[in-house]
Amino acid sequence: QSALTQPASVSGSPGQSITISCTGTSSDVGRYNYVSWYQHHPGKAPKLLISEVTNRPSGVSNRFSGSKSGNTASLTISGLQAEDEADYYCSSYTSSSAVLFGGGTKLTVL
Amino acid sequence: QVQLQESGPGLVKPSETLSLTCTVSGGSISNYFWTWIRQPAGKGLEWIGRIYSSGSTNYNPSLESRVTMSLDKSKDQFSLRLSSVTAADTAVYYCARGVSSLGYWGQGTLVTVSS
Repeated sequence: QSALTQPASVSGSPGQSITISCTGTSSDVGRYNYVSWYQHHPGKAPKLLISEVTNRPSGVSNRFSGSKSGNTASLTISGLQAEDEADYYCSSYTSSSAVLFGGGTKLTVL
Repeated sequence: QVQLQESGPGLVKPSETLSLTCTVSGGSISNYFWTWIRQPAGKGLEWIGRIYSSGSTNYNPSLESRVTMSLDKSKDQFSLRLSSVTAADTAVYYCARGVSSLGYWGQGTLVTVSS
């Protein structure tokens, strides 16, 4: 099983919006609405931002939103803030009952 | 507030077995799925597998031949064993709660495979 495909890096200025894509196949992202997104600051535990494609857990800012079209899911961060600079990972449930992570995207806030 | 804490040796010799335990506090281990994930230095997250409180397991196909997960309900702990380790198994290992949406994570523990 290959990792889900994410861009290695994205960047944006404070206040702007950015979108991170996560491309899988018809056996994972395209088949299930079990796509999650995580924010990971180095040295800390990853934090769940989005579950089941679009759901934000309690306490997560509404600046983070998720969507999906076909085999590609997306995370949008609006109103970029310096504290958003981190690594972002998507994950998906798969047809073999496993979980696949994306390769990760490094967000730089300029 | 549910908290998870990984524990175990930070150094394992090649060909030996890596053993880690995750202790759950602030909640019961029952009726939940528990997951192990790892992250080699400079690389992305890799799903290792999960165990349900009943003891049923699902493992990453690429690691399945070397992985065993178990749990101890009396201690609210679950464990990971990875056999025949090599340098490629050097990573930060995390435990977490859930199936595909992992809402609670431990802080992670670095395991280095070296002689």
